[in-house]
Amino acid sequence: GAGVSQSPSNKVTEKGKDVELRCDPISGHTALYWYRQSLGQGLEFLIYFQGNSAPDKSGLPSDRFSAERTGGSVSTLTIQRTQQEDSAVYLCASSLYGDSNQPQHFGDGTRLSIL
Amino acid sequence: QQQVKQSPQSLIVQKGGIPIINCAYENTAFDYFPWYQQFPGKGPALLIAIRPDVSEKKEGRFTISFNKSAKQFSLHIMDSQPGDSATYFCAASKGGNQFYFGTGTSLTVIP
Repeated sequence: GAGVSQSPSNKVTEKGKDVELRCDPISGHTALYWYRQSLGQGLEFLIYFQGNSAPDKSGLPSDRFSAERTGGSVSTLTIQRTQQEDSAVYLCASSLYGDSNQPQHFGDGTRLSIL
Repeated sequence: QQQVKQSPQSLIVQKGGIPIINCAYENTAFDYFPWYQQFPGKGPALLIAIRPDVSEKKEGRFTISFNKSAKQFSLHIMDSQPGDSATYFCAASKGGNQFYFGTGTSLTVIP
């Protein structure tokens, strides 16, 4: 497909386990964003990748959260030692250049539930 | 601290009505203000966006009104339809590398 693809669509895991969430951006998009959406809340910025530049990690809530973007394409968000408060929908978006003029295209998210 | 404040939290209108959703911001460095529409189980989709040098922008039935001096902007949906029932988010950005989102408005359009 031509859109942003996220996997898995749903993930249920036990507290304390590590999880990996994957994002395949639109081909050719250099900017990639991760957000967290809690029930009834807006989108919380987590991390931003732009081309080969160092990522903006200022939104990561703790050192249990990390993200990589390999080859300027696929990105993986990793949450270590998950806690119940990590339960949320994790959304990925990509845009052509990461400039204000470029709209963000979102995937449908990964719904993460921590038991 | 919430960078973008959105109201109301929920809104119910009759078909054909004009729902209005409001957002306010503090940071005058913001230079891009998009609105997103989100259906259950889907990611947000860009509806319409405006820059602060324009006071109004219209695309189809969707209009953004922007008041730079008041640091407020709003979304108006003309001739609303049941298919417009969704959650709407406003956002603000400076430079495109970080977007701040409102908490969302759940809109229900009654047939």
